[in-house]
Amino acid sequence: NAGVTQTPKFQVLKTGQSMTLQCAQDMNHNSMYWYRQDPGMGLRLIYYSASEGTTDKGEVPNGYNVSRLNKREFSLRLESAAPSQTSVYFCASRWGQGGGYTFGSGTRLTVV
Amino acid sequence: GQQLNQSPQSMFIQEGEDVSMNCTSSSIFNTWLWYKQDPGEGPVLLIALYKAGELTSNGRLTAQFGITRKDSFLNISASIPSDVGIYFCAGHIPQGGSEKLVFGKGTKLTVNP
Repeated sequence: NAGVTQTPKFQVLKTGQSMTLQCAQDMNHNSMYWYRQDPGMGLRLIYYSASEGTTDKGEVPNGYNVSRLNKREFSLRLESAAPSQTSVYFCASRWGQGGGYTFGSGTRLTVV
Repeated sequence: GQQLNQSPQSMFIQEGEDVSMNCTSSSIFNTWLWYKQDPGEGPVLLIALYKAGELTSNGRLTAQFGITRKDSFLNISASIPSDVGIYFCAGHIPQGGSEKLVFGKGTKLTVNP
């Protein structure tokens, strides 16, 4: 049972480079989410997709874009990476309202 | 934005001791969730609470949804070394036609054998 799969697990970027973080879930969940985790800050929502075809901004969307490619996949793009985007990024999904989220194992991104 | 105040920030305990941590908010929540995060991994759901006053157990873990719907606590009894990790509370608040999940900043638990 794969659950939520994130790639890559680690990435180092130079300032100004772009990259896309990939996320896929095999649980037929409707909603998908991107969070970032920084020391002492907990988990902060970047973007979410309540259902296929919709995306909405979360708490910290600046500098990011997302694409809900299909029901399974939700990607996060950094167009021009900045050192402030050094963080651990988690993708999550859930079936419907009120339920718990299932998280991936994270992508550790360093921007130098 | 909405905030959850989670305390304590960290705990250092001896194996066998009981642990208690809690979360409070100025907003009413529909759901309270407790997650555990092991080093290098994503958070894993431990307990979900759906009704005010609800008390739910999962093995040595017990959590309660506060009557006011603005707080929740998690207790761990007879701690063991594998309880080490960061524990997060999270809550759903209504937002427009959907819900938003808000996380506390975590309680880092260290268990000394």
